[in-house]
Amino acid sequence: DTAVSQTPKYLVTQMGNDKSIKCEQNLGHDTMYWYKQDSKKFLKIMFSYNNKELIINETVPNRFSPKSPDKAHLNLHINSLELGDSAVYFCASSQFHTGTEAFFGQGTRLTVV
Amino acid sequence: AQSVTQLDSHVSVSEGTPVLLRCNYSSSYSPSLFWYVQHPNKGLQLLLKYTSAATLVKGINGFEAEFKKSETSFHLTKPSAHMSDAAEYFCVVTRSSNTGKLIFGQGTTLQVKP
Repeated sequence: DTAVSQTPKYLVTQMGNDKSIKCEQNLGHDTMYWYKQDSKKFLKIMFSYNNKELIINETVPNRFSPKSPDKAHLNLHINSLELGDSAVYFCASSQFHTGTEAFFGQGTRLTVV
Repeated sequence: AQSVTQLDSHVSVSEGTPVLLRCNYSSSYSPSLFWYVQHPNKGLQLLLKYTSAATLVKGINGFEAEFKKSETSFHLTKPSAHMSDAAEYFCVVTRSSNTGKLIFGQGTTLQVKP
């Protein structure tokens, strides 16, 4: 049983397209996150949801919109994709939103051509 | 503000020799600290965590780390490297009463030579 699963694992798309990445966790956690890993492997938080409520929204372009239909799911929709959006996107979850470790999915490698 | 600095971007050791990956942190508040490992084309796996209990923390696969407040360090060690330890390692800090936001270091690539 995969604790945090994201789909797809790989996504290749053209500039200007709209795409979504889905994430689900079966750990019963209240908090879910999206992190972005760039080509230099640096990881930075994008969004965080606690019980379907947005609690972190870093300086991310408006083209990125997270959606949490319930606390077990956090999807990431990206409009008008740009070359610079190419990265690995990780979904994660944690039991609480204060000071606890996060459990990560396998990542989605997005390549914009 | 919080930040993490991993002092080495690349560490190379021979199989069977000790591993030391260095991490310094900066935090205005009581921190929680973690080490994560990322194998090629894989997700991030938690190795160990410090959350204000014992300062010497033991993790999976024989790794351990010591929280030293006076030195603001949280170095990761292992007595004997194995080939399977070759991976990217991240030191991570978060605030114990924050929004759960993890602040990642730049990562250290561990190479293990036979």
